[in-house]
Amino acid sequence: DIQMTQSPSSLSASVGDRVTITCRASQGINNHLAWFQQKPGKAPKSLIYSASSLQSGVPSHFSGSGSGTDFTLTISSLQPEDFATYYCQQYNSYPLTFGGGTKVEIK
Amino acid sequence: QVQLQESGPELVKPSQTLSLTCTVSGASISNVNHYWSWVRQPAGKGLEWIGRIWASDSTNYNPSLNSRVTMSVDTSKNQFSLKLTSVTAADTAVYYCAREISDGNFNPPHSDFWGQGTLVTVSS
Repeated sequence: DIQMTQSPSSLSASVGDRVTITCRASQGINNHLAWFQQKPGKAPKSLIYSASSLQSGVPSHFSGSGSGTDFTLTISSLQPEDFATYYCQQYNSYPLTFGGGTKVEIK
Repeated sequence: QVQLQESGPELVKPSQTLSLTCTVSGASISNVNHYWSWVRQPAGKGLEWIGRIWASDSTNYNPSLNSRVTMSVDTSKNQFSLKLTSVTAADTAVYYCAREISDGNFNPPHSDFWGQGTLVTVSS
């Protein structure tokens, strides 16, 4: 299985801050990387696919980059509704695997 | 708007079979570019992909669960289902169904819409 390692596991930030979350795959996955946002008690919400393509309706202050093994999710200006846990997922090979999550908390 | 809704027993006894159904609206379960998957999440933990079904009877399962998992589709009801046999307390989790979609350019499918999830507890 491909291991997905996210860092940091948690962070504290203020509204308006720029936030960067990284995800590293244990082997190359091309650009077959997705990002999800999950709020407590809710289902994950798809944010980004193909490493950098925004899902329809996702605000433009979210962006993704990377290819191969190293990927980044950037929130350019953190909004109150962005406080949540973020997961990366590789869908390049079976089984699909997720990172351990990054919890973004209010500073 | 695509919507998915999980349904099934909330409590299953150890060694029995967990059975869940996902009802899809706003999309055809027969669409060749759509794949239908299950993901689970134990309380306070991360996400685990269980597997997917497409083209009515093609499947990929997570090898960690492979021998216990079966997925099926009911096109007449626009539903797909999950069966997990010989459950233990370790199978207690919120179970999500999701749609995965292919862009048709030989890229693997990625998920876009998810159900709200259903908590299944394995306990006697």
